[in-house]
Amino acid sequence: KAGVTQTPRYLIKTRGQQVTLSCSPISGHRSVSWYQQTPGQGLQFLFEYFSETQRNKGNFPGRFSGRQFSNSRSEMNVSTLELGDSALYLCASSLVGVSGANVLTFGAGSRLTVL
Amino acid sequence: AQKITQTQPGMFVQEKEAVTLDCTYDTSDQSYGLFWYKQPSSGEMIFLIYQGSYDEQNATEGRYSLNFQKARKSANLVISASQLGDSAMYFCAMRELAGKSTFGDGTTLTVKP
Repeated sequence: KAGVTQTPRYLIKTRGQQVTLSCSPISGHRSVSWYQQTPGQGLQFLFEYFSETQRNKGNFPGRFSGRQFSNSRSEMNVSTLELGDSALYLCASSLVGVSGANVLTFGAGSRLTVL
Repeated sequence: AQKITQTQPGMFVQEKEAVTLDCTYDTSDQSYGLFWYKQPSSGEMIFLIYQGSYDEQNATEGRYSLNFQKARKSANLVISASQLGDSAMYFCAMRELAGKSTFGDGTTLTVKP
C-alpha cells in the first residue's frame, strides 16, 4: 500500500514567486491536511480538506491556499513568497475527516527554501 | 482554542532505560484524540500511539505507552527499554472531532549508549 506522496521534495524559489506543492494521499483516505514546520514556530496547521471541501483553516494569510481534487489529491499554493515561508511543508492524510480518532499518516514533506 | 504544551525541549536517556515525555493539553471539547508522533532527522512524522478521550485504559503499543490522566489533562508518553534508534523529536498532538490537529513544540530525545 503506497504511502502519502509529496512532490517536489525540495525546491528553491525567490521572493515574490509562487509555488505549488502536491500531495497524493493513501488510497481510500479522503481527508488531507497541510502543516508548516519551521524551527521557530514548530508545526503549524494550515488547512484540512475533506471530500474537496476545506473544513478547517489555520491562521495563515490569504497567500496560502489549497484545494482538493475528486481523487483526494491535494495541492497547496503559496503566492508572493516571503523569506519567512522557508519551511518544511508536511501533508497528512486520514481515513475519515470527522472523528477525533483518525491517525494522520504523513508524507516525507516538501522543503521550500525562499531566497 | 486547543493547546498542547510540551515542557521538555530536550531529554537524555541511557540506552535500555525508560523515559517519560511530558504532554499537557487544553480543550473545551468532550471528545478528542491524543496522539504521539516521532520525527527522526529524516523529517517524516511517524505515528506511535493513540488515546481517545473516552478510553479508560491507557494505550500501549509495544515499547510505547501513554499515561493518560484526564482530570489533569495530561498525556505523557513512556518509552521503555530505550534504543539508540529512538533518538528523534517527539510530538504530542490533539485531534478534535472536526478534524483539526494541534501539535506541541516537540521534545528532542537523545538516547546515550
